[in-house]
Amino acid sequence: DAGVTQSPTHLIKTRGQHVTLRCSPISGHKSVSWYQQVLGQGPQFIFQYYEKEERGRGNFPDRFSARQFPNYSSELNVNALLLGDSALYLCASSLQGFGDGYTFGSGTRLTVV
Amino acid sequence: GENVEQHPSTLSVQEGDSAVIKCTYSDSASNYFPWYKQELGKGPQLIIDIRSNVGEKKDQRIAVTLNKTAKHFSLHITETQPEDSAVYFCAASKRQAGTALIFGKGTTLSVSS
Repeated sequence: DAGVTQSPTHLIKTRGQHVTLRCSPISGHKSVSWYQQVLGQGPQFIFQYYEKEERGRGNFPDRFSARQFPNYSSELNVNALLLGDSALYLCASSLQGFGDGYTFGSGTRLTVV
Repeated sequence: GENVEQHPSTLSVQEGDSAVIKCTYSDSASNYFPWYKQELGKGPQLIIDIRSNVGEKKDQRIAVTLNKTAKHFSLHITETQPEDSAVYFCAASKRQAGTALIFGKGTTLSVSS
């Protein structure tokens, strides 16, 4: 059984650009959550989606947005990139998104230069 | 909101010794406490979790204890092995729809042979 798949694995962008990160959850999982992990820190919650609807949002600016598709895959979009957006972006899938049973992907390493 | 403090930030032990990592949380409504292991270049992997109606849980060499009154929980690893070397994160959540996992800052465990 495939785990959580994230793409791309690495990405380098320039300040001011836009980026789209993608996540495919485990088969049967209907909830996807996005986390940002800055080097040396624990992951920080960005969004949670369940059945294509946003269920939770962390303390991130409006430059961050996301959506979930009918097949439960998800995209995270970040506009007007800043140097401080450089981080590992993690996707976690779960059956219902009740805060437990999360399986994380390996993440997308975003570097903003 | 919830705040999770984790100590120590680094821990070095000899192979075969025990390792203990401690976390405290601030929100008494939190009722789910997972521990994740993160190896270089990978996403966090769930190694053990505990719910608030249980005081202790064990899985082979790994155990977690929870003190709800004091709002702290601990990870115990016995008979450590070099492959236990990684960054360990504690987290807390309320197990409600849309809730986030709130992570500690992590403990880098080094096991030397």
